[in-house]
Amino acid sequence: GDSVTQTEGLVTLTEGLPVMLNCTYQTIYSNPFLFWYVQHLNESPRLLLKSFTDNKRTEHQGFHATLHKSSSSFHLQKSSAQLSDSALYYCALSVGMGYKLTFGTGTSLLVDP
Amino acid sequence: GGIITQTPKFLIGQEGQKLTLKCQQNFNHDTMYWYRQDSGKGLRLIYYSITENDLQKGDLSEGYDASREKKSSFSLTVTSAQKNEMAVFLCASTSRDNYAEQFFGPGTRLTVL
Repeated sequence: GDSVTQTEGLVTLTEGLPVMLNCTYQTIYSNPFLFWYVQHLNESPRLLLKSFTDNKRTEHQGFHATLHKSSSSFHLQKSSAQLSDSALYYCALSVGMGYKLTFGTGTSLLVDP
Repeated sequence: GGIITQTPKFLIGQEGQKLTLKCQQNFNHDTMYWYRQDSGKGLRLIYYSITENDLQKGDLSEGYDASREKKSSFSLTVTSAQKNEMAVFLCASTSRDNYAEQFFGPGTRLTVL
């Protein structure tokens, strides 16, 4: 079946440094839709950004990601981390009719001053 | 805009007990979901309902029942609570547009003694 892999359970870095959270996926469908959701402490997950276009950069709130179908990847990046970026980040995959999301196990990002 | 409410916020049960969680949304969304969130395991889909009177099993449906009473409400029943079980159950909803954003409720935190 479909799957999403987020290799880092916890990423810790200093404010001002660049952020890169890894996401790879597996599916037999040729037109996957990829998402990043963010969940701050004591809040619910909310959509950060999404894409279905191969090799096109998608940006929102300072974060960006590019879907690369050749490597089945959708890594999340930001040029300079802020303290407020500390949160749990989920990568998710949707295929077919788009009703069902398959989530990765999540990456906790902790930004230190 | 809209809101998703989940009741109760905290649920404490006994081993073997049948427990029901409720979710209401006023987005007028067609599709609703129940997820289980465990630390390190991400968000796992239990049940979803594409439209009123529809019910679909997710990857984690064993041990659970669900009911879509009307368009705005979706209930989840833990058929037999497992001792020492602790998890957060998140309800979500989305429009019928393909690959639309899912909106999440605040969650119900379950503890089984």
